[in-house]
Amino acid sequence: KQEVTQIPAALSVPEGENLVLNCSFTDSAIYNLQWFRQDPGKGLTSLLLIQSSQREQTSGRLNASLDKSSGRSTLYIAASQPGDSATYLCAAYFGNEKLTFGTGTRLTIIP
Amino acid sequence: GAGVSQSPSNKVTEKGKDVELRCDPISGHTALYWYRQSLGQGLEFLIYFQGNSAPDKSGLPSDRFSAERTGGSVSTLTIQRTQQEDSAVYLCASSSPGLAGGHQETQYFGPGTRLLVL
Repeated sequence: KQEVTQIPAALSVPEGENLVLNCSFTDSAIYNLQWFRQDPGKGLTSLLLIQSSQREQTSGRLNASLDKSSGRSTLYIAASQPGDSATYLCAAYFGNEKLTFGTGTRLTIIP
Repeated sequence: GAGVSQSPSNKVTEKGKDVELRCDPISGHTALYWYRQSLGQGLEFLIYFQGNSAPDKSGLPSDRFSAERTGGSVSTLTIQRTQQEDSAVYLCASSSPGLAGGHQETQYFGPGTRLLVL
């Protein structure tokens, strides 16, 4: 069964620190992996998309990596800010016409 | 606005009533997806459209759920005889055709419709 897992479910970090969010998936035959941000009561905002042929993608203070062999992806956030507080979701595309989502990590940046 | 829009943003209904949720994708996006997010749960795939056809309906939880898409644009998700367990946020997403048919492109999400069945 193709599954995506995110641990921990919640994380609190002091402002200014660098942090890493983890995502693991069960099927190494992944086509791509996408990281999203969800603010309370809002929809999802796409942050980064990594194709299976890529190892990492960067956007501003965000860097996402993909290691198919180990079934892991990480989202690195540099110099965290209170505005980064949100739930971060990773989603994998396994070639079956839909995204399979993790349950998310709720990130709180403490001012 | 250039983003995905959904209406209504909130819907409260009584058990047993029918509801219709609407999604307006980004112009030019041929792929459209419906997901459901229940409280404390991850996102659950419901249905996918490529143009007006829905090759994958496997995620629809019961025959009370149906969806259609007309003109390759607007989609409606209909829930008949609503039950309390249908209460959730229903999210719609769309993606451009891309080189690989759409699935390998970024999915852009709407703000969702929050459905509460009393």
